[in-house]
Amino acid sequence: AAGVIQSPRHLIKEKRETATLKCYPIPRHDTVYWYQQGPGQDPQFLISFYEKMQSDKGSIPDRFSAQQFSDYHSELNMSSLELGDSALYFCASRTTGGKEEQYFGPGTRLTVT
Amino acid sequence: GESVGLHLPTLSVQEGDNSIINCAYSNSASDYFIWYKQESGKGPQFIIDIRSNMDKRQGQRVTVLLNKTVKHLSLQIAATQPGDSAVYFCADPPNSNSGYALNFGKGTSLLVTP
Repeated sequence: AAGVIQSPRHLIKEKRETATLKCYPIPRHDTVYWYQQGPGQDPQFLISFYEKMQSDKGSIPDRFSAQQFSDYHSELNMSSLELGDSALYFCASRTTGGKEEQYFGPGTRLTVT
Repeated sequence: GESVGLHLPTLSVQEGDNSIINCAYSNSASDYFIWYKQESGKGPQFIIDIRSNMDKRQGQRVTVLLNKTVKHLSLQIAATQPGDSAVYFCADPPNSNSGYALNFGKGTSLLVTP
């Protein structure tokens, strides 16, 4: 069965650089969530989209932005990277009206040096 | 703020024993809970869920118990296997208005020894 696809899987950036993470949800899933997981931490919700509109906002820094496109894939744009942004970034998807269960992708490991 | 959290950060069990992972929540309005398993380097994987109108729900080798009186839930894994070694999170979506964004509790690392 198709799963959530995230790219790239690993990314190394320097401080003050920008990064773009991509997420391709499971086909026919219309809702996408982004989570950040620091080392040894639980995942923290950043932002979510439903039908290309932002549906909820969590602890996403102002330096980050995201959007969902017409094909339902989503991109997380991160600017002025800081050392503390080093983390695993997960994307999850679900279909509204279905079960509440979210299906997580394998994550993108971002390292800021 | 409202939180979902776990009592113990690590749990070590012998292969074949039963495991019990606990979780406390503070939002008495929470009506839906999910357990996720996260293996090293992978995304969280759904295990089982339970609604607040239930006290118990069983899956394959797993059982979730919900005690609304003390705002506590537990995940029981029967006949624990090495493949069960992972970090386990309980999570609750605050409400449907939030689009079901998950509020994760602190994970418990389960280590299964032979």
